[in-house]
Amino acid sequence: QLVLTQSPSASASLGDSVTLTCTLSSGHSKFPITWHQQQPWKGPRYLMKINSDGSHNKGDGIPDRFSGSSSGAERYLTISSLQSGDEADYYCQTWGIGTGMFFGGGTKLTVL
Amino acid sequence: QVQLVESGGDMVQPGTSLRLSCAASGFSFSSHGMHWVRQAPGKGLEWLSTMSFDEKDLHYAASVKGRFTISRDNSKNILYLQMNSLRFEDTAVYYCGREEGIGYNNVPLLDSWGQGTLVTVSP
Repeated sequence: QLVLTQSPSASASLGDSVTLTCTLSSGHSKFPITWHQQQPWKGPRYLMKINSDGSHNKGDGIPDRFSGSSSGAERYLTISSLQSGDEADYYCQTWGIGTGMFFGGGTKLTVL
Repeated sequence: QVQLVESGGDMVQPGTSLRLSCAASGFSFSSHGMHWVRQAPGKGLEWLSTMSFDEKDLHYAASVKGRFTISRDNSKNILYLQMNSLRFEDTAVYYCGREEGIGYNNVPLLDSWGQGTLVTVSP
């Protein structure tokens, strides 16, 4: 059973960096994922795709402050030089073979 | 520039039907798989359904299988979601999403979203 695990919340100060983690369940450590940002009262916005080898492809217009990486079953989203506009919910997503699309529960990022 | 625009959301009574549309532009619609995802108030994202670029492959989440039907018109660049026997728990914002990569993908991932359309199921 594919499960994507995210911490429910994270916080960091304006101008600092933060790393969000999405953990793939056992047996799925090679799966790619995508990260999506959802600002308050808005629809989701695609940020990037991260492969198991850490390579990643960002969406159009996504600032260089956003980067991705991977280690084992974990996929990371790092946001540097935090801005107030980065305060949002962040979701990871992948596909379970024969079972459908899965989202992590989301991480609510607070910028202090 | 990829654009997805959902429409058709409304306030309806339990047991009734509704059809959502997602108008696509800025890309080759007929080359991409498409998906429907919803978000109940205060909740996370829930995948509902997908249809392949060529309409030959489709899948549903267990929560909507048998009640919802996905379809697409590649000549009009529109994705549809027919929702029957609506329940209170179907109240949500419904989003369409584009699958990254053309043709069939081993691991379908979303790379574009619409702005969503609100469906409220209420007596």
